[in-house]
Amino acid sequence: EDQVTQSPEALRLQEGESSSLNCSYTVSGLRGLFWYRQDPGKGPEFLFTLYSAGEEKEKERLKATLTKKESFLHITAPKPEDSATYLCAVQADTGRRALTFGSGTRLQVQP
Amino acid sequence: DAEITQSPRHKITETGRQVTLACHQTWNHNNMFWYRQDLGHGLRLIHYSYGVQDTNKGEVSDGYSVSRSNTEDLPLTLESAASSQTSVYFCASSADRERYEQYFGPGTRLTVT
Repeated sequence: EDQVTQSPEALRLQEGESSSLNCSYTVSGLRGLFWYRQDPGKGPEFLFTLYSAGEEKEKERLKATLTKKESFLHITAPKPEDSATYLCAVQADTGRRALTFGSGTRLQVQP
Repeated sequence: DAEITQSPRHKITETGRQVTLACHQTWNHNNMFWYRQDLGHGLRLIHYSYGVQDTNKGEVSDGYSVSRSNTEDLPLTLESAASSQTSVYFCASSADRERYEQYFGPGTRLTVT
């Protein structure tokens, strides 16, 4: 059974204070690992897909990295508008196209 | 612009009633999914479809059904609503090849009283 565990559950940062969110996963074979951002009352918004260990993707202050067991979402010099819940999900290489999601990390960036 | 919409955005219903939540996408994606989101559980898969006339059960499918009569729509039906089905429901879609990321709708908040 595919499993995704995200930590910490909640994180409070000061504006400009860089940090990382962790996503540990167990999957029979990884087709892709996905990061989403979710604002309150809205649907998840796609950020990145990582396909193989060693891969990195960047978007503004966010950088996602992938190893064989976990992924990190690094947030450099965050701003208050980066406050959101960040979700990690995996897709197994079994032909099943559905995603298995973690419970998310709730990030709050204070000015 | 292509998009995915859900209706209604908010719904209050009584225990035992049948409820249908609509999902419509204009990306022409073959794959469509329904998830529910509850505190402490994250997003859990209810049903999914890989194309017209195809439907499959997810991890929490009991009490729910879907049908796929065209590419654009995947309505979710609660046959007899229960209080345990109070949740936020998200529809998503994805393309078939190369890019597998899913795009989500805005969600429907359902309350069963």
